[in-house]
Amino acid sequence: GDSVTQMEGPVTLSEEAFLTINCTYTATGYPSLFWYVQYPGEGLQLLLKATKADDKGSNKGFEATYRKETTSFHLEKGSVQVSDSAVYFCALSDNSGAGSYQLTFGKGTKLSVIP
Amino acid sequence: NAGVTQTPKFQVLKTGQSMTLQCAQDMNHNSMYWYRQDPGMGLRLIYYSASEGTTDKGEVPNGYNVSRLNKREFSLRLESAAPSQTSVYFCASSEAAVNTGELFFGEGSRLTVL
Repeated sequence: GDSVTQMEGPVTLSEEAFLTINCTYTATGYPSLFWYVQYPGEGLQLLLKATKADDKGSNKGFEATYRKETTSFHLEKGSVQVSDSAVYFCALSDNSGAGSYQLTFGKGTKLSVIP
Repeated sequence: NAGVTQTPKFQVLKTGQSMTLQCAQDMNHNSMYWYRQDPGMGLRLIYYSASEGTTDKGEVPNGYNVSRLNKREFSLRLESAAPSQTSVYFCASSEAAVNTGELFFGEGSRLTVL
């Protein structure tokens, strides 16, 4: 079945440091890929997405590129802020059939940014 | 905007007790979901309702039942709670299928089963 593997956390960075959170996936066909973020005490919210190979999703300074050849969707940000402290989840959904209602999530990576 | 509202936010149950988690969305979304979040496990889908009048099992449906009461409301019932059901439960909704759209989550309901 489909699966998502994220780098283990927690990750602690100083403000303005460069962030990379690795995500690789296993899926049949050509899935859509997502990054969701969960701030403390809140539900998840969509950060960015890519629906086909070589697409780049971007939002709030975060970027991720859908790499079919390496089955990866790594999250990057050039300069993190304290407000970016959260748990980040990589996820996929398959694109077979009329539509998919199931997202497969990775285990999450906790990011802490210190001033 | 309220978005997705879950009640209760916290609940403690004894083994064998029953309870219902309520969820309502005000975005006129067609699809609704229940997930559980456990440490080191990410989120796992319990049940979903692609549209009003339909429900389907997700990855971990055992021990749970759901009801899509109307387009706005989707409840999750634990008939006989077990300690393994201690978790944080999230309700979510989407306008359409998740491969193209976006999931909107509630703030979660923390359930402890003693």
